[in-house]
Amino acid sequence: SQQGEEDPQALSIQEGENATMNCSYKTSINNLQWYRQNSGRGLVHLILIRSNEREKHSGRLRVTLDTSKKSSSLLITASRAADTASYFCATDMDTGRRALTFGSGTRLQVQP
Amino acid sequence: NAGVTQTPKFQVLKTGQSMTLQCAQDMNHNSMYWYRQDPGMGLRLIYYSASEGTTDKGEVPNGYNVSRLNKREFSLRLESAAPSQTSVYFCASSETTGSLSGNTIYFGEGSWLTVV
Repeated sequence: SQQGEEDPQALSIQEGENATMNCSYKTSINNLQWYRQNSGRGLVHLILIRSNEREKHSGRLRVTLDTSKKSSSLLITASRAADTASYFCATDMDTGRRALTFGSGTRLQVQP
Repeated sequence: NAGVTQTPKFQVLKTGQSMTLQCAQDMNHNSMYWYRQDPGMGLRLIYYSASEGTTDKGEVPNGYNVSRLNKREFSLRLESAAPSQTSVYFCASSETTGSLSGNTIYFGEGSWLTVV
């Protein structure tokens, strides 16, 4: 089963609007990362937030983490058509498996 | 900058055939991974290699074998392909699997495999 589940599965917005994607997970984590995937391409790392952090910014990206609710959100401000992609959260669980576990992703469509 | 290179890009196999997906990274990373991606399922870990000389099973290892040939190369083999193995396969690498310091993964461009 997937550790992380993104919500919504798909999101369509107009250029200039903000896009918010949520990720919920099930077990304790050491950190949570967000990745982006353009159609037909590999995933690209966007941002990492550690379990002792609550909020992190990178350019137009803002990530929050609530470990008590086991959830994270990714906010993209002032979206652009080029932001159209799928976005995945990935968790580094506090278990013996030493690899990231990915959610099922949110497909974002930004209309020009 | 090559990063993570995987071959082939596309492959069609008949049920029962075998094949090997090749992967190489030029970032001097210790850890390498194979994931598969199916529609609506996200990425699922098949096998990973935390360091040269070690391999471990991931979430969906059945039907696959791996070889960490050296620090740069990590191959994935399908011994007897099945239609359920139709998927997009991604190789990836990271400096380590150390979780406390954070661990960014770098992905290849994917290999589209169809088993008929």
